[in-house]
Amino acid sequence: DAGVIQSPRHEVTEMGQEVTLRCKLISGHNSLFWYRQTMMRGLELLIYFNNNVPIDDSGMPEDRFSAKMPNASFSTLKIQPSEPRDSAVYFCAIPGQRSNTGELFFGEGSRLTVL
Amino acid sequence: SQQGEEDPQALSIQEGENATMNCSYKTSINNLQWYRQNSGRGLVHLILIRSNEREKHSGRLRVTLDTSKKSSSLLITASRAADTASYFCATTTDYKLSFGAGTTVTVRA
Repeated sequence: DAGVIQSPRHEVTEMGQEVTLRCKLISGHNSLFWYRQTMMRGLELLIYFNNNVPIDDSGMPEDRFSAKMPNASFSTLKIQPSEPRDSAVYFCAIPGQRSNTGELFFGEGSRLTVL
Repeated sequence: SQQGEEDPQALSIQEGENATMNCSYKTSINNLQWYRQNSGRGLVHLILIRSNEREKHSGRLRVTLDTSKKSSSLLITASRAADTASYFCATTTDYKLSFGAGTTVTVRA
């Protein structure tokens, strides 16, 4: 791994609860992506940050989803209130050193189950 | 929506055999990448081929790219049990990486 640490690895919650997923970057980076993976839709880009600013949030499903990147080492993805259809694996990823190629390094993911 | 579509969806082979999977995409790209995902893990970058390249090798991996047909193939030679995973192609346009649905490869010992 490239020092992308996600937590929690697994989260089971009930519909209506707030969920916060975290992504820690050991070495820091000025760009970060959040992806969601489901069987039905595969891997979807949710949001892209550059210089800690959201550049493209067109993939964020709706207002229940929000993301922040307060500094180069940390980002959060929040779902409030959560719904069963939010059940998925959520990944954060950062560009490789040769960032102009688009190669990404992924965290291990946070598996969310909303009952 | 997904940019790339892999074929086949699933592949089962005997250890030592070669595995070939294909990817088709729809729009112009800067480059095309292949990733591997083991069960319950994150995606791992395998190889990148630029839009002006036709073939690339990395160890037991061989990737081809045909931009006129908007397609790519990934060949894994002399497969091993450890190659059991899902493989995804991903196309890059500007900063955005768009993934296909993936091919699940099972290598039988």
